[in-house]
Amino acid sequence: GAVVSQHPSWVICKSGTSVKIECRSLDFQATTMFWYRQFPKQSLMLMATSNEGSKATYEQGVEKDKFLINHASLTLSTLTVTSAHPEDSSFYICSARDLGGAFNEQFFGPGTRLTVL
Amino acid sequence: AQSVSQHNHHVILSEAASLELGCNYSYGGTVNLFWYVQYPGQHLQLLLKYFSGDPLVKGIKGFEAEFIKSKFSFNLRKPSVQWSDTAEYFCAVNENTDKLIFGTGTRLQVFP
Repeated sequence: GAVVSQHPSWVICKSGTSVKIECRSLDFQATTMFWYRQFPKQSLMLMATSNEGSKATYEQGVEKDKFLINHASLTLSTLTVTSAHPEDSSFYICSARDLGGAFNEQFFGPGTRLTVL
Repeated sequence: AQSVSQHNHHVILSEAASLELGCNYSYGGTVNLFWYVQYPGQHLQLLLKYFSGDPLVKGIKGFEAEFIKSKFSFNLRKPSVQWSDTAEYFCAVNENTDKLIFGTGTRLQVFP
């Protein structure tokens, strides 16, 4: 149980285009999902907290107009990188908190590697 | 601001050697502590967690960690590592909120 999937697993796009990444909780419901960014050989940095049915909460320094988050259902959150540039190239990881699970336990997706040319 | 330090960036061990990975955090209040593992090409998985109670926590695959409040530490240990333990290990902390603050990770390589 407690499986989180991400799609796509990798994407290459041209500078200036937008890319959408999906995060799904497959066997549980998640009112809260999280989006992280991981640079090579660095830690995961929380970008935003995605709440079902309401606006996402962004961490300081994260541009909300650039990283659009939508959490339309209890099992799906999407991150759209708008007008992507090479500096947006990174590994994006989502996690989800199980409504019926242990307090504060998050389950992680496999990540999406974005390369912007 | 809360922060998590993992001082061992890269650890190389032979099979059967003992392992201890350091984790220190900077927050004086009540915290929840986690160790996650990321095997090559796979997603992050929870190894163990501490919320309260016995400061010695046992996790999966023979791992354990000890919470020492006075030292703000939550070091990960395993008495005898295996080649299959080769992975990246992340310590994480939160303070009774949803936000997880991660350390920079420790890359463990175990040679047969």
